[in-house]
Amino acid sequence: DGGITQSPKYLFRKEGQNVTLSCEQNLNHDAMYWYRQDPGQGLRLIYYSQIVNDFQKGDIAEGYSVSREKKESFPLTVTSAQKNPTAFYLCASNIEWADYGYTFGSGTRLTVV
Amino acid sequence: AQSVTQPDIHITVSEGASLELRCNYSYGATPYLFWYVQSPGQGLQLLLKYFSGDTLVQGIKGFEAEFKRSQSSFNLRKPSVHWSDAAEYFCAVGAGNNRKLIWGLGTSLAVNP
Repeated sequence: DGGITQSPKYLFRKEGQNVTLSCEQNLNHDAMYWYRQDPGQGLRLIYYSQIVNDFQKGDIAEGYSVSREKKESFPLTVTSAQKNPTAFYLCASNIEWADYGYTFGSGTRLTVV
Repeated sequence: AQSVTQPDIHITVSEGASLELRCNYSYGATPYLFWYVQSPGQGLQLLLKYFSGDTLVQGIKGFEAEFKRSQSSFNLRKPSVHWSDAAEYFCAVGAGNNRKLIWGLGTSLAVNP
């Protein structure tokens, strides 16, 4: 079955280190998204990509970076510049930018230790 | 500015009772409206969506929602709640040329046996 795979499910990072979260989809979706979820704050958009080799900043892009070299993959790097990286990170995709039927991955919980 | 309000942070219902989760939005034109559900530690799943037409929409898992333009609301309902419905429910609005979803902060549903 098609879907979105996020790995790892749990990730621990020391302060000052960069870490990369993986997001892979086999749905043949053009658009992909990264959200951050904190308790009581809903979902906040970090970055999104409409097509391969193109991406835009979302509402809270500072301290994060992404790449979109392949249609199937949209990795997120949490850099040391992100002051409060402990959160639940969700990756999503949809067929095209105009389609709101997002498919979500099961998330990665990042904890800074 | 576009916004989504879910007035109830937490709701508890008894199994078999009816359920209504409230969602109010702020947007000048007819928005695209969505309800998503999230089980603990998981990604989000689309329950239903409204784009146009019949203002009462049916979704998965026995849920329905009604768009009321005069009240700027899109409330989610279910006639008889099951214990497996315990989860976090998010209302979202898609509007404007930027094609981004605006999320509510969520309503946590607990179901008593």
